[in-house]
Amino acid sequence: SQKIEQNSEALNIQEGKTATLTCNYTNYSPAYLQWYRQDPGRGPVFLLLIRENEKEKRKERLKVTFDTTLKQSLFHITASQPADSATYLCAPLYNNNDMRFGAGTRLTVKP
Amino acid sequence: DADVTQTPRNRITKTGKRIMLECSQTKGHDRMYWYRQDPGLGLRLIYYSFDVKDINKGEISDGYSVSRQAQAKFSLSLESAIPNQTALYFCATARDSSYNEQFFGPGTRLTVL
Repeated sequence: SQKIEQNSEALNIQEGKTATLTCNYTNYSPAYLQWYRQDPGRGPVFLLLIRENEKEKRKERLKVTFDTTLKQSLFHITASQPADSATYLCAPLYNNNDMRFGAGTRLTVKP
Repeated sequence: DADVTQTPRNRITKTGKRIMLECSQTKGHDRMYWYRQDPGLGLRLIYYSFDVKDINKGEISDGYSVSRQAQAKFSLSLESAIPNQTALYFCATARDSSYNEQFFGPGTRLTVL
């Protein structure tokens, strides 16, 4: 069956460092993958989408890569700030109609 | 005003009761979704609708039903609530294209005793 794994439940880093979050999926080949941010008590907010024919996508301090051979996406936040502290969810397209979400990685950036 | 609203925001009920969660949107999107979120399990899709006449089961539809009353309204019902339906429920909308981002409501925290 299809499975989505985000590398760790929690990640703690120091302000100014680069945070790297991993999303692995198995048993299917999504045409694209999205990343969302979720703050406590709130709904997820869309950050980036990357398609299967794109190796890398950037938006300000965010960078996403998509390796369809490894079945993996990496999400980077450079020059991290305490305000980046949140849970980050990856969501590969499951079929043509919906996405499946990973359980998320809770990032804490310490001053 | 929020683009996607959910009512109620919090609800405590008892086993066996019928519960309805409501979602309204002002974004003009055709696609609407219901998810539940449990610690460690992430978001799981319950039902989705591409228009008023098109409703589809998601990953975990058993024990739930939905109604799409209009383009802007999508309701989720628990016919006979049970404790393992205690969760955070989110409604989301999207434009009529699978590539587009989903816009989530603020969530409804449901507790079934």
